[in-house]
Amino acid sequence: KQEVTQIPAALSVPEGENLVLNCSFTDSAIYNLQWFRQDPGKGLTSLLLIQSSQREQTSGRLNASLDKSSGRSTLYIAASQPGDSATYLCAVRPSSGSARQLTFGSGTQLTVLP
Amino acid sequence: GAVVSQHPSRVICKSGTSVKIECRSLDFQATTMFWYRQFPKKSLMLMATSNEGSKATYEQGVEKDKFLINHASLTLSTLTVTSAHPEDSSFYICSASTVPGYTFGSGTRLTVV
Repeated sequence: KQEVTQIPAALSVPEGENLVLNCSFTDSAIYNLQWFRQDPGKGLTSLLLIQSSQREQTSGRLNASLDKSSGRSTLYIAASQPGDSATYLCAVRPSSGSARQLTFGSGTQLTVLP
Repeated sequence: GAVVSQHPSRVICKSGTSVKIECRSLDFQATTMFWYRQFPKKSLMLMATSNEGSKATYEQGVEKDKFLINHASLTLSTLTVTSAHPEDSSFYICSASTVPGYTFGSGTRLTVV
């Protein structure tokens, strides 16, 4: 059974810092990995999606990497801003089987202090 | 991009009543939708997979008679919490597969009093 772990559970940084969020998964047979952002009481906003054949994806100040063989992904946020404060979730989609649902990590709650 | 609209965003109901939550795909057809439940400061827990025109597939431990799922069209799936109790209070989110990723609704905060 796939297990997804995110470290740290919470992170507080001053504005302007670069930071890295970590995600690890136990089964490397994944189709893709997706990073989401969730604001309090809101749904999920997709940030980046990395296919299993890809190593990284970039969008603006965000960069996500994937090392499938070691079961790791990182989300790099450059020049953090208070508006980046949210919970960040990673989720993996299995590569085979009838199940297409995502397995989520428990999230990293990020606070960027002005 | 693909949008999933979820309503209501918040609902308060009395214990023993039923509540319906709707999830619509606005600009695409979703043959499969997923319903999740999220407890405070916890991650998303998959409750069931909703398939258009057929019965939903429930995860282990989820009561199918309490959480009724209907997916009668390619753009609408509904989750009805029947005979709600305070322990059903939670945040419910739906999602649809938008190859290659997933799009999520904005969630419904259910409070049972």
